[in-house]
Amino acid sequence: NAGVTQTPKFQVLKTGQSMTLQCAQDMNHEYMSWYRQDPGMGLRLIHYSVGAGITDQGEVPNGYNVSRSTTEDFPLRLLSAAPSQTSVYFCASQLAREQFFGPGTRLTVL
Amino acid sequence: QQQVKQSPQSLIVQKGGISIINCAYENTAFDYFPWYQQFPGKGPALLIAIRPDVSEKKEGRFTISFNKSAKQFSLHIMDSQPGDSATYFCAATPGGYQKVTFGIGTKLQVIP
Repeated sequence: NAGVTQTPKFQVLKTGQSMTLQCAQDMNHEYMSWYRQDPGMGLRLIHYSVGAGITDQGEVPNGYNVSRSTTEDFPLRLLSAAPSQTSVYFCASQLAREQFFGPGTRLTVL
Repeated sequence: QQQVKQSPQSLIVQKGGISIINCAYENTAFDYFPWYQQFPGKGPALLIAIRPDVSEKKEGRFTISFNKSAKQFSLHIMDSQPGDSATYFCAATPGGYQKVTFGIGTKLQVIP
């Protein structure tokens, strides 16, 4: 099992550009989440999904969109990147009470 | 509003010493309290977790102490080693497939 995979590992964007952060898991977990990690702020929930076709907002959803067409994939879309979205992004899947995190994507918005 | 307050933000401990990280929560609906460990450049991984029906859980050198009446819980790392140097997050969640609330994290450095 590859677990939770994320691509790309690093990305630099210019303000106003759009992009999609990819996340996939091969553990057949229904529950998936996107977090951002910022110094002094911990892990903050952006969006989450309890299964294919079902998504909901987390703590900091503004500027991000998600969709969940399959159990395996949960992409995160930045529609118009802003410098405030410079962060490390983690995707996670969940089984019972345990979260399994991907390796992260470090995003810089200039 | 920070529902899980974690302290300290950074901690330096000598090898062989005890590392202690504290967390406090507000939401009485929380019923599962995990700790995650994150090494640089990696995603967090579950280290140890406790439910509020017990006051302590121990796994090797790692112990969670839980005080339900005070709504506080802490992680103790005994005989701390340089390999324990990482960021530690406490977390809390209510029942079922619910959103996990994380603390802000503690960066632990264990010096030789």
